[in-house]
Amino acid sequence: QKEVEQNSGPLSVPEGAIASLNCTYSDRGSQSFFWYRQYSGKSPELIMFIYSNGDKEDGRFTAQLNKASQYVSLLIRDSQPSDSATYLCAVNMNSGNTPLVFGKGTRLSVIA
Amino acid sequence: DVKVTQSSRYLVKRTGEKVFLECVQDMDHENMFWYRQDPGLGLRLIYFSYDVKMKEKGDIPEGYSVSREKKERFSLILESASTNQTSMYLCASSPPIPGTTNEKLFFGSGTQLSVL
Repeated sequence: QKEVEQNSGPLSVPEGAIASLNCTYSDRGSQSFFWYRQYSGKSPELIMFIYSNGDKEDGRFTAQLNKASQYVSLLIRDSQPSDSATYLCAVNMNSGNTPLVFGKGTRLSVIA
Repeated sequence: DVKVTQSSRYLVKRTGEKVFLECVQDMDHENMFWYRQDPGLGLRLIYFSYDVKMKEKGDIPEGYSVSREKKERFSLILESASTNQTSMYLCASSPPIPGTTNEKLFFGSGTQLSVL
């Protein structure tokens, strides 16, 4: 069974703090990793993707990948109330052309 | 910008009705997907298609079928709607990236279907 695991939350952080969202996956051969943000009542939107071990930064967002530990995370620096949303981790688990496997998401609440 | 359009935002149907959910994308994407999203269960893949006339079952295809007669349009069909199919349905599309399996999904705004 190919699985992507996330804590459901809610994760509550004060405004200005760093929010750390974590994700583990079951398939060691996984190739690519995505973070989607979903506001309440809206559809998911892609915010970050990472393919190689290490860190990838984009503005206030940093994706971190550790393939040996089968672990990917999303850090949000200087968290804002507008970052309050559910964050979905998605993993491509095969070398062939197969759909992403999604985690169930972590709900983040940034408190002003 | 990529646009994925779902025909209805809210839909109410009766048990036993045949239901069509339409999805159209305007970016010439090869890949299209249908998900349903329920509280506590996350996104679950119903069907997907990597080419016109092609379809593949996802994780929960029972009670559903799909049609892809044209590249830009991917329809989800509930043959005989049941109350347990009440859900948010999300369509998505993605471009193929030659030589890789990476998929960057673009989602439609969703259809909240209620089956009474």
